[in-house]
Amino acid sequence: DAGVIQSPRHEVTEMGQEVTLRCKPISGHDYLFWYRQTMMRGLELLIYFNNNVPIDDSGMPEDRFSAKMPNASFSTLKIQPSEPRDSAVYFCASSLTSASYNEQFFGPGTRLTVL
Amino acid sequence: GENVEQHPSTLSVQEGDSAVIKCTYSDSASNYFPWYKQELGKGPQLIIDIRSNVGEKKDQRIAVTLNKTAKHFSLHITETQPEDSAVYFCAATGGLEYGNKLVFGAGTILRVKS
Repeated sequence: DAGVIQSPRHEVTEMGQEVTLRCKPISGHDYLFWYRQTMMRGLELLIYFNNNVPIDDSGMPEDRFSAKMPNASFSTLKIQPSEPRDSAVYFCASSLTSASYNEQFFGPGTRLTVL
Repeated sequence: GENVEQHPSTLSVQEGDSAVIKCTYSDSASNYFPWYKQELGKGPQLIIDIRSNVGEKKDQRIAVTLNKTAKHFSLHITETQPEDSAVYFCAATGGLEYGNKLVFGAGTILRVKS
């Protein structure tokens, strides 16, 4: 398997523009997580899905952020309108349910810069 | 909710020496504690984990210890090598009951000097 795939790897945009980040989880994994990483706040969980259904979006910073998972192999994180403080590395991760706990596999991340 | 504190924030060691990173957690219901390694430009990768029914786990040069009473756990790397240089994150979760949500520590930058 190719692992978790994220696109784009880098995104530079201007304040006020819409940004869409994309993620393809590992085939067969039924959990998908979106994280944001900054120097100041570290790794923050934004939202996660189980079987394509959003379970907990309490980490989404504000209404400008939205996430969807239309099918088991694709998810998007959208920021509209973007602001400079949204600049960060955004990671997508997936894991497989079992009776116990499971490793979260992280993608390579998308580095977002909002000017 | 869970809160995980990690120390130190940076650690420099000489090649061949040992490195120890410590974490404390607040929620006594947490029962799964993974450690992730993040290399420059990459996503975090699991290197070792421990469950609450175990006090210690070892995998070659890496070991993790857990003290449930004190609510702290530690990562030990022996015979460090330059390729161990990275950012290390500890995390905690209550498992499926908590939706497998991981709460991460702030990270430790480990530098191994050759």
